[in-house]
Amino acid sequence: QQQVKQSPQSLIVQKGGIPIINCAYENTAFDYFPWYQQFPGKGPALLIAIRPDVSEKKEGRFTISFNKSAKQFSLHIMDSQPGDSATYFCAASMYSGGGADGLTFGKGTHLIIQP
Amino acid sequence: NAGVTQTPKFQVLKTGQSMTLQCAQDMNHEYMSWYRQDPGMGLRLIHYSVGAGITDQGEVPNGYNVSRSTTEDFPLRLLSAAPSQTSVYFCASSYFEGAGEQYFGPGTRLTVT
Repeated sequence: QQQVKQSPQSLIVQKGGIPIINCAYENTAFDYFPWYQQFPGKGPALLIAIRPDVSEKKEGRFTISFNKSAKQFSLHIMDSQPGDSATYFCAASMYSGGGADGLTFGKGTHLIIQP
Repeated sequence: NAGVTQTPKFQVLKTGQSMTLQCAQDMNHEYMSWYRQDPGMGLRLIHYSVGAGITDQGEVPNGYNVSRSTTEDFPLRLLSAAPSQTSVYFCASSYFEGAGEQYFGPGTRLTVT
């Protein structure tokens, strides 16, 4: 059973555009929702994360929007650059419980920003 | 700090062979975990540890063993390699209370023939 569904699988955007990646979760016990960025040949790196007590969080050009009632969250990249081309993973965990069960990941979105 | 280190970077095994993937971290993190990454599957949790001497199974533990004798090290053992274990393996660590904010190693690409 896939607990975090991510879409789209791949996305091509022109430089300066705003790619949007969406995720939906099923487990209402999840209370921590990070996004990871992965470049080829590297391990994932934490990009930005949100807790369900806020509906939006911004860090630089990256914004997470969170809709608790719909059990959905999304990543927006403002003024996208070719250097943002990477695979993006959403994830969820039970942070307040120590997150001992680790992260449940979406299947990833391969993003290409064309110059 | 070196962060999370993994060795080897690449490995080819024959079916039935055993091996150990090494993982170490120098951030004094209590929580460590192993994930495997397969195309189109995202990352799936194999085993995790919330501290030295304590380990537990994740989503896909079959065929793998772990132990945690020190805070720094968390090796992953493949008992009898199978082609289905061909994958990229990532080790990750975090402070226990922030188990969601995990730091990942560079990965080990394993091929089983």
